[in-house]
Amino acid sequence: QKEVEQNSGPLSVPEGAIASLNCTYSDRGSQSFFWYRQYSGKSPELIMSIYSNGDKEDGRFTAQLNKASQYVSLLIRDSQPSDSATYLCAVNIKAAGNKLTFGGGTRVLVKP
Amino acid sequence: DADVTQTPRNRITKTGKRIMLECSQTKGHDRMYWYRQDPGLGLRLIYYSFDVKDINKGEISDGYSVSRQAQAKFSLSLESAIPNQTALYFCATSDRTGTDTQYFGPGTRLTVL
Repeated sequence: QKEVEQNSGPLSVPEGAIASLNCTYSDRGSQSFFWYRQYSGKSPELIMSIYSNGDKEDGRFTAQLNKASQYVSLLIRDSQPSDSATYLCAVNIKAAGNKLTFGGGTRVLVKP
Repeated sequence: DADVTQTPRNRITKTGKRIMLECSQTKGHDRMYWYRQDPGLGLRLIYYSFDVKDINKGEISDGYSVSRQAQAKFSLSLESAIPNQTALYFCATSDRTGTDTQYFGPGTRLTVL
């Protein structure tokens, strides 16, 4: 089992709809969780970080964390064509020495 | 000015050549990382450094070496480049005080012929 798993996609959503991305992780001791957005050929940029169970909202983005079920999700409301990118989930895996471990990413396509 | 810079941004080299990729940061962070990214494989950690005297191997360190010349500089070397080292390389930094958030440089696209 990979330490951080994401569906590779592509996740195709119509413009204006909600895109829902999921990420599962293996280490129950993980404390820090991140979502990065990466456009093709560009560097990852941080969208959200979340540390506690529940929801965290920032503009059109909402991160949801459920430590008991070991998943973290990202919702993108009112999806725009500019949201078309790969979204990387990253988890601080304590068993890996407090480094971030990245999932393979989910590619999102927002169609006008 | 960018907080994390990488040079060169693009490099084409031949098999067997030694090359160095450089990373500099003005964020004042103690921790620095080198990743490579291949299509469909996500980001994989090559080396990381939690301070100038602390350097550690990541999951794919074979064929690579690093040097932490100063808090702000972290270089990655390919001693004898091979074609399967063709990839996009990213440097990242984070602050030890600890939200673990990593900030990435713009990347270096390396092609080994």
